[in-house]
Amino acid sequence: GNSVTQMEGPVTLSEEAFLTINCTYTATGYPSLFWYVQYPGEGLQLLLKATKADDKGSNKGFEATYRKETTSFHLEKGSVQVSDSAVYFCALSDNDYKLSFGAGTTVTVRA
Amino acid sequence: DAGITQSPRHKVTETGTPVTLRCHQTENHRYMYWYRQDPGHGLRLIHYSYGVKDTDKGEVSDGYSVSRSKTEDFLLTLESATSSQTSVYFCATRDGANVLTFGAGSRLTVL
Repeated sequence: GNSVTQMEGPVTLSEEAFLTINCTYTATGYPSLFWYVQYPGEGLQLLLKATKADDKGSNKGFEATYRKETTSFHLEKGSVQVSDSAVYFCALSDNDYKLSFGAGTTVTVRA
Repeated sequence: DAGITQSPRHKVTETGTPVTLRCHQTENHRYMYWYRQDPGHGLRLIHYSYGVKDTDKGEVSDGYSVSRSKTEDFLLTLESATSSQTSVYFCATRDGANVLTFGAGSRLTVL
């Protein structure tokens, strides 16, 4: 079956530091890959997505590249801000209309 | 914004009592989902719906039932709540680009 494994947190960074959150997946087909972000007290919201190999999703300074050869979709941001403090979820969707989520990574950015 | 409203937002109940959580959407999306969020588990799919009166089980469906009598409403029912069902419940809809939009969540505590 489909599954997503992402690095465990929590991750604590200083402002302007570089952020990487690793995500690898297992899927039987050719899934679409997503990063969702959850700010405190809110529901999840889409951060970025990629639908095929070598696609790069980007939004709000975050980027992730769909790597089929390594079955990975690592999230990166070059210079984080306090406002980036949140829980980040990697997810995949195969052709079954359901999303499988990773366990989430809590990121805290200190001023 | 898919205009998803969850109610109630917070509920405390006792073991053995029935509980119904409601999800209402205004975007006329065909697919709707109920997830639960627990520390260390990310989001796990409880049930989903692919149309009026069309529903199917997710990975953690035991102890839960759902109903969808109208496109805009998707109800999650715990027939006899247990302490293991203490969680935060999220409703979501899926758009044509396979992106999920989530409600703000319903926090349920079963004493």
